[in-house]
Amino acid sequence: AQSVAQPEDQVNVAEGNPLTVKCTYSVSGNPYLFWYVQYPNRGLQFLLKYITGDNLVKGSYGFEAEFNKSQTSFHLKKPSALVSDSALYFCAVRANNFNKFYFGSGTKLNVKP
Amino acid sequence: DSGVTQTPKHLITATGQRVTLRCSPRSGDLSVYWYQQSLDQGLQFLIHYYNGEERAKGNILERFSAQQFPDLHSELNLSSLELGDSALYFCASSVRPISGGGELFFGEGSRLTVL
Repeated sequence: AQSVAQPEDQVNVAEGNPLTVKCTYSVSGNPYLFWYVQYPNRGLQFLLKYITGDNLVKGSYGFEAEFNKSQTSFHLKKPSALVSDSALYFCAVRANNFNKFYFGSGTKLNVKP
Repeated sequence: DSGVTQTPKHLITATGQRVTLRCSPRSGDLSVYWYQQSLDQGLQFLIHYYNGEERAKGNILERFSAQQFPDLHSELNLSSLELGDSALYFCASSVRPISGGGELFFGEGSRLTVL
């Protein structure tokens, strides 16, 4: 069975500091992993994905994610946080048959000036 | 703009009533997924349609039903509404790639309030 876990409900970071939002996954077969961001009262926006290849994936708005197969993790990172990055972040894994996407519970990122 | 259109954006109704939420996927996307997002339960997968056929069901109540039409738009029907059905309902569409990719593109959601 496929699943993702986001162990932190909330992450607080100061503007200009690096940020990490954690995600671990459980899949059978090759993992197809995604990160999404949701601003208040808006739909989820796609940030980046890992399908295969380089373990460091670069995405929108300066975000990147590191795939670690041995630790079954796919943490979202950004070298320097902005106040405007404050939002809800979701990690997701796609089932091999494309029929389901499994989302984590979400992590609220608070970036303080 | 993701290219996925959902209507209505807001809907207020009473318990026991029935509502229909509509979704138009991105041009060319054959897959439509419905999700429910409530404060205490995060993002819950409801159902997936591909080119008019139901492909997967999640935690969808029997009072809820969906369909995808030949023009690929989809409708989610919610009946005998209860207070607990108040939530944001999202539609997402996806292309079905030969290999890899296949990320979802979400609409802005329909906020349902049941009074």
